[in-house]
Amino acid sequence: EAQVTQNPRYLITVTGKKLTVTCSQNMNHEYMSWYRQDPGLGLRQIYYSMNVEVTDKGDVPEGYKVSRKEKRNFPLILESPSPNQTSLYFCASSRRGTLMNTEAFFGQGTRLTVV
Amino acid sequence: AQSVTQLGSHVSVSEGALVLLRCNYSSSVPPYLFWYVQYPNQGLQLLLKYTTGATLVKGINGFEAEFKKSETSFHLTKPSAHMSDAAEYFCVLNRDDKIIFGKGTRLHILP
Repeated sequence: EAQVTQNPRYLITVTGKKLTVTCSQNMNHEYMSWYRQDPGLGLRQIYYSMNVEVTDKGDVPEGYKVSRKEKRNFPLILESPSPNQTSLYFCASSRRGTLMNTEAFFGQGTRLTVV
Repeated sequence: AQSVTQLGSHVSVSEGALVLLRCNYSSSVPPYLFWYVQYPNQGLQLLLKYTTGATLVKGINGFEAEFKKSETSFHLTKPSAHMSDAAEYFCVLNRDDKIIFGKGTRLHILP
């Protein structure tokens, strides 16, 4: 079954304690991306990756890091989380290039609370 | 610059009434457009997509959307709303290195 898997689904942490949210896809997609969803603001892109070892900033990258060492994995790292990073996070993957007309697939989301 | 605008962050319709969720886009190249639905406490699920060809696109759960290049619109419709349609809907533009989301429209169904 084609899917994007995020872990954990729920996470409560304290300010300053480093954390990683994992994302893995089994569709051999080139493109992967992270979004945060906040009330009234929709989904905003944090970082994206066009392929292995290629990452770039989205609209709201401050306070986040990513890496793309393997095609299937795209972890989101918060080195020193702060309360304003409390949000619902989604990972997505999609084809690129000539197959851009295919849809993006989304993980189930990670609800992060930073206290 | 490419962008997606959804008119109305909240829309309420009566059960059985027509659903119309508006989406306008801006793109310098032919866009690939999608509608996604997000049910409470769930991820995003594809409703329908427009790539090329037929401008009237049918999706799941009785939804459809019409691509109108002259109006740069891709409005989502359903002839008769059902209580189970209550959710948040996102219009999405997929082009080049970006997947661009509208801010979303929360659909409320009134009994």
